[in-house]
Amino acid sequence: AQSVSQHNHHVILSEAASLELGCNYSYGGTVNLFWYVQYPGQHLQLLLKYFSGDPLVKGIKGFEAEFIKSKFSFNLRKPSVQWSDTAEYFCAVNPSGGYNKLIFGAGTRLAVHP
Amino acid sequence: EAGVVQSPRYKIIEKKQPVAFWCNPISGHNTLYWYRQNLGQGPELLIRYENEEAVDDSQLPKDRFSAERLKGVDSTLKIQPAELGDSAVYLCASSPGTFNTGELFFGEGSRLTVL
Repeated sequence: AQSVSQHNHHVILSEAASLELGCNYSYGGTVNLFWYVQYPGQHLQLLLKYFSGDPLVKGIKGFEAEFIKSKFSFNLRKPSVQWSDTAEYFCAVNPSGGYNKLIFGAGTRLAVHP
Repeated sequence: EAGVVQSPRYKIIEKKQPVAFWCNPISGHNTLYWYRQNLGQGPELLIRYENEEAVDDSQLPKDRFSAERLKGVDSTLKIQPAELGDSAVYLCASSPGTFNTGELFFGEGSRLTVL
């Protein structure tokens, strides 16, 4: 079945630790890829996106993600997390290559301890 | 610029009761989405509107769910009658058009608890 998989449901890190959140999708063909973030008590917002070109994309707040087509992956990374990065992170795929139809993963809840 | 506004933020009802959620998208955004987010899961699309037309409602449980977007601006999502399994967060999102950057702008959601 077509899906978006996020490998870790909960991640706990100390400040300054490095972060990598996994995301794999099972759609073939052209896809657009996204990471959304939901800070406590706030709405979902876009962190970064990949449409084409350089497979390493940079987003807000020092986050980046790498698209590896052969692995159907779009992992999110940050070299050094901060307490303010505590949030839930959602990987999303637009498999249509056209109109907006986001398919979300189950999310990863990140807790950063001071 | 105001974001996507949803109401109510929280709603607790008993099963078999009706409930309605309201969404006001960002001004000028023609595309409006309703998503449902169950506990521990990501959002799942229920329905997508282009202006006042529902162009993708394949995931909407039509026996008890209905939605409308009169005049192509505000939208209402209704559940009648509600079931225990409908407990979830109902998210509204909007975007400027069908083909654009792919970014959806989400509201804060309406959390429904069915007892």
